[in-house]
Amino acid sequence: GQNIDQPTEMTATEGAIVQINCTYQTSGFNGLFWYQQHAGEAPTFLSYNVLDGLEEKGRFSSFLSRSKGYSYLLLKELQMKDSASYLCAVMDSNYQLIWGAGTKLIIKP
Amino acid sequence: GAVVSQHPSWVICKSGTSVKIECRSLDFQATTMFWYRQFPKKSLMLMATSNEGSKATYEQGVEKDKFLINHASLTLSTLTVTSAHPEDSSFYICSARRGQVSETQYFGPGTRLLVL
Repeated sequence: GQNIDQPTEMTATEGAIVQINCTYQTSGFNGLFWYQQHAGEAPTFLSYNVLDGLEEKGRFSSFLSRSKGYSYLLLKELQMKDSASYLCAVMDSNYQLIWGAGTKLIIKP
Repeated sequence: GAVVSQHPSWVICKSGTSVKIECRSLDFQATTMFWYRQFPKKSLMLMATSNEGSKATYEQGVEKDKFLINHASLTLSTLTVTSAHPEDSSFYICSARRGQVSETQYFGPGTRLLVL
């Protein structure tokens, strides 16, 4: 079967750095997406990785290792507004998005 | 940018009534639109995929007669929840994708449905 694993919840301090991991087992791979979802709102696109390596976009970076079936989202200089759920999603060989359950990130002052 | 709108954002209705939710891509043509359902503290559950001008493809376990999807144009898809019941209460989110299958999905703001 297809599976996406990410931690259910993480807590970090304002101004710090946090890394949210995602491991996947899917039938085929056509890229991995990270989305941010604030409570009561729809997801917003953060990043897309299809090749191995690190993609940096401001305070957010996303890393992919296809051989390990592993990705992480790195958030630097955390702000209170970063409190949200972070969803990892993998596009399989049929170009279907397989969604993880999301990681709820709690930022403390 | 890629903006997707959804209307209405909130619906409260009586059991047995039908509810229509609209999803529009405002600044691009969406070859494919997706309808998701999300329960509190749970991940997104894909209900169906719709391509403009053709019938929607429903995920296993989703009743096509219960959740009617119409993708009438490249910028509009509608989801109708027929004869709604309290268990249909949920957060319904649409997303839209441009032509290429590998392209990013952009999400609408979601519609919160409460069936009394």
